[in-house]
Amino acid sequence: DQQVKQNSPSLSVQEGRISILNCDYTNSMFDYFLWYKKYPAEGPTFLISISSIKDKNEDGRFTVFLNKSAKHLSLHIVPSQPGDSAVYFCAASEGDNDMRFGAGTRLTVKP
Amino acid sequence: ETGVTQTPRHLVMGMTNKKSLKCEQHLGHNAMYWYKQSAKKPLELMFVYSLEERVENNSVPSRFSPECPNSSHLFLHLHTLQPEDSALYLCASSQQRQGNGNTIYFGEGSWLTVV
Repeated sequence: DQQVKQNSPSLSVQEGRISILNCDYTNSMFDYFLWYKKYPAEGPTFLISISSIKDKNEDGRFTVFLNKSAKHLSLHIVPSQPGDSAVYFCAASEGDNDMRFGAGTRLTVKP
Repeated sequence: ETGVTQTPRHLVMGMTNKKSLKCEQHLGHNAMYWYKQSAKKPLELMFVYSLEERVENNSVPSRFSPECPNSSHLFLHLHTLQPEDSALYLCASSQQRQGNGNTIYFGEGSWLTVV
């Protein structure tokens, strides 16, 4: 039962353009959402989060949008840089309950 | 440096071996986790320790045995593993606060290969 889904396994973007990573979830009780970034041979690194009481959270080049009615989460990176090339995981949790992860999207930013 | 340290980073073991993965967190968190990451699969939660008590098992095979001697240390004891257990094992920690979402911080992982 995969409650968090990232339907695009990969995304390729030109440097300087916007990267949009998408995530869908099925559990309407999720109230906290996060994005993690993972380089090869390293553990995931926390990137940005959003609470269900908000619909947008911004941190520098990274913005997370939450559409609760559509059960959809997205991460925007603008402008994209080659160093952003990594696997991005979406995650969601309900209160203190287990965090559920998506399968990840591999972002490649081309110079 | 994430504040969560895992050793060893790489481990190759035979199916009859006994080995352990070690994790230490320097963040003062009250919860620690073991996750498994296999290729092209979501991260799978294996074990959760909150305040040094195991709160979830998630039907993990008994050949994986966790140990949490204190809030800063977590072990994963491995015994008679199978080749399909080869994966990246990630330790994580968080500060659980009742009613609030908590952010999990991961270590760099231990790559396990079972031969």
